[in-house]
Amino acid sequence: EPEVTQTPSHQVTQMGQEVILRCVPISNHLYFYWYRQILGQKVEFLVSFYNNEISEKSEIFDDQFSVERPDGSNFTLKIRSTKLEDSAMYFCATRQGVNSYNSPLHFGNGTRLTVT
Amino acid sequence: AQSVTQPDIHITVSEGASLELRCNYSYGATPYLFWYVQSPGQGLQLLLKYFSGDTLVQGIKGFEAEFKRSQSSFNLRKPSVHWSDAAEYFCAVGSKAAGNKLTFGGGTRVLVKP
Repeated sequence: EPEVTQTPSHQVTQMGQEVILRCVPISNHLYFYWYRQILGQKVEFLVSFYNNEISEKSEIFDDQFSVERPDGSNFTLKIRSTKLEDSAMYFCATRQGVNSYNSPLHFGNGTRLTVT
Repeated sequence: AQSVTQPDIHITVSEGASLELRCNYSYGATPYLFWYVQSPGQGLQLLLKYFSGDTLVQGIKGFEAEFKRSQSSFNLRKPSVHWSDAAEYFCAVGSKAAGNKLTFGGGTRVLVKP
C-alpha cells in the first residue's frame, strides 16, 4: 500500500535555528496537511495545502511557519526560528483529489522535533 | 466548530476480552468520522471511517464502530483483543464544509494484560 514518507524521523535543534521537515506524499494525492502533536496533547491541525497554495491554516501556524512544494514531489514545513514550545511530533497527511471530500487522510510516521 | 471528546484516557483490558472505546462529537451537520490507531513510535493508521449509509462500519484488524446520531457517538469496538492492539486510539471528525480538516479527540491509551 502506498505510504506517506516523512524525513527525518527525529530532529534535534537549538532554539532560534531554522528547521525543514520533509514529506513525500502518495503519488496521486493532491491535498496535503501538516498536523502536530505536543507530547501528551491532542493532534492539532496546522495547515492544509492544495494547488500550490495554502487552503487553510490554524492560529498556531504563525509567521514562523511556512510550507511549500518546491519540486513537485516533496512537501515541506519550515519553522524559521524555533522555540522551545515547537517541540512536538509533526505529522504530514495527504488525501486524494478534487471532489473526494470523503477520502480519508493518510498520515506519515511523523518527525519528532526536539528544540533545546 | 467541530469537537471530539474521548472520555477515557486509559483503558486496561485482558487479552481475549472485548474492548469498547467511546467517542462523542459535536458538529452541526453530518460529520465524517474516523478512528485512527497510533502504535508507539509510529504514525497514525486509519482503522475505519464513516461517511454515510450503514451506521455500523467494519475496519481493519477486526475493529468496528457504530455511528449513533441521536447520541452523537461513534464508539469503537473489538470482540477479542490481542496483545498487539496495545496502542493509542484517536477518534476524529471531519466534514465537507471543513475541507476534510480533521479535529481529533484526546486519545485513549489501551493497555493489554496477558
